[in-house]
Amino acid sequence: ELKVEQNPLFLSMQEGKNYTIYCNYSTTSDRLYWYRQDPGKSLESLFVLLSNGAVKQEGRLMASLDTKARLSTLHITAAVHDLSATYFCAVDNSGGSNYKLTFGKGTLLTVNP
Amino acid sequence: NAGVTQTPKFRILKIGQSMTLQCTQDMNHNYMYWYRQDPGMGLKLIYYSVGAGITDKGEVPNGYNVSRSTTEDFPLRLELAAPSQTSVYFCASSTRTGPYEQYFGPGTRLTVT
Repeated sequence: ELKVEQNPLFLSMQEGKNYTIYCNYSTTSDRLYWYRQDPGKSLESLFVLLSNGAVKQEGRLMASLDTKARLSTLHITAAVHDLSATYFCAVDNSGGSNYKLTFGKGTLLTVNP
Repeated sequence: NAGVTQTPKFRILKIGQSMTLQCTQDMNHNYMYWYRQDPGMGLKLIYYSVGAGITDKGEVPNGYNVSRSTTEDFPLRLELAAPSQTSVYFCASSTRTGPYEQYFGPGTRLTVT
């Protein structure tokens, strides 16, 4: 059974600081997704990582995937208040056939002025 | 292009009642999914479908049923509602070809009392 662990689960940052959220998973997969969820809202796709060594960047967020280590990171650079949200990683556990995802529990990020 | 739509947005059910959560997508996606989200627990897959007439169980299917008679619609049926089914329900869809990311609907917040 695929297990996906995110850490930390809660992160309080000051504006302007850098930090990294980690996503570890337990079985082989080469598809990993990052989503953002604002309070009371739906999930918004941030990054799709489809191969070992994949790196994607959008604004102050950068995601990477190391399939050998079964690890993905979401790096936040010079955080701003607008980045406050819950961030989920999700791993494809279908072996590439039905694209079923297993989600981590999420990281609640709060950026303080 | 509305994407994935869900109705209703909110619903309160009494124990033992039944209801159907509606989900429609207009992106001609083959794959559709139902998730539930409980506080601090991430999303768990209830059922999924890879095309009209084809459905399969996810991680937490007990107490739910689905059908897929068209590409666009994927309703979720709750029979004999129980307090344990109090949750936020998200429908999602994805294409059969890359990058396989899932697009989520706005969610239905269900309370069973």
